[in-house]
Amino acid sequence: QITLMESGPTLVKPTQTLTLTCTFSGFSLTTSGVGVGWIRQSPEKALEWLALVYWNGDERYNPSLGSRVALTTDTFKNQVVLTVTNLDPEDTATYYCAHRRRSDKWSAFDYWGQGALVIVSS
Amino acid sequence: DAQLTQSPSSLSASLGDKVTITCRASQRISNYLHWYQQKPGKAPNLLIYGASNLQSGVPSRFSGSGSGTDFTLTISSLQPEDFAIYYCQQSFAGLTFGGGTMVEIK
Repeated sequence: QITLMESGPTLVKPTQTLTLTCTFSGFSLTTSGVGVGWIRQSPEKALEWLALVYWNGDERYNPSLGSRVALTTDTFKNQVVLTVTNLDPEDTATYYCAHRRRSDKWSAFDYWGQGALVIVSS
Repeated sequence: DAQLTQSPSSLSASLGDKVTITCRASQRISNYLHWYQQKPGKAPNLLIYGASNLQSGVPSRFSGSGSGTDFTLTISSLQPEDFAIYYCQQSFAGLTFGGGTMVEIK
């Protein structure tokens, strides 16, 4: 059974760095075809993909966030850590990590965490 | 990146109705198009991947079609549990989501 869970702070100040941890079980990130992605949802319900790490260590990032977003993977701990630098109130959202459905073609997310609400405010 | 435009942004329908939601891509994306359902307070749930492939465990009243730039999600007979927001997502050019379609009770 595949599960994912996000953890991290709820309230962060502008200009600070956000660190969120996705802890997963039921799959290995070294299995061919899988991956873990981060997606956020604004209070207005818009979904925005942030980053994706593949089974082979390849990483992809949303270019609209520039160099503000980075991933760190610990395959032994089954964790993927997302960092977002230089936070702005516009970064207020629910942050989800999700399992990339095993595929050599499509990046669709078939299992999601419950989401972590992050509020950026002074 | 390819941008996705969903229509309508919301719709009202009755139980048993056939519902169709469209998703148009700003460039050709082959069949790299996926559909999700989201209920209040929950994470999105994958319904369709690769434009027309039903995800395991999803009722057969859901179907997807399309290729290139125009895609459709169809619910053949609307059930009470189908009232939700539906999103399309593409993974051909970057990874982007449509703006969502809210399906409400008439």
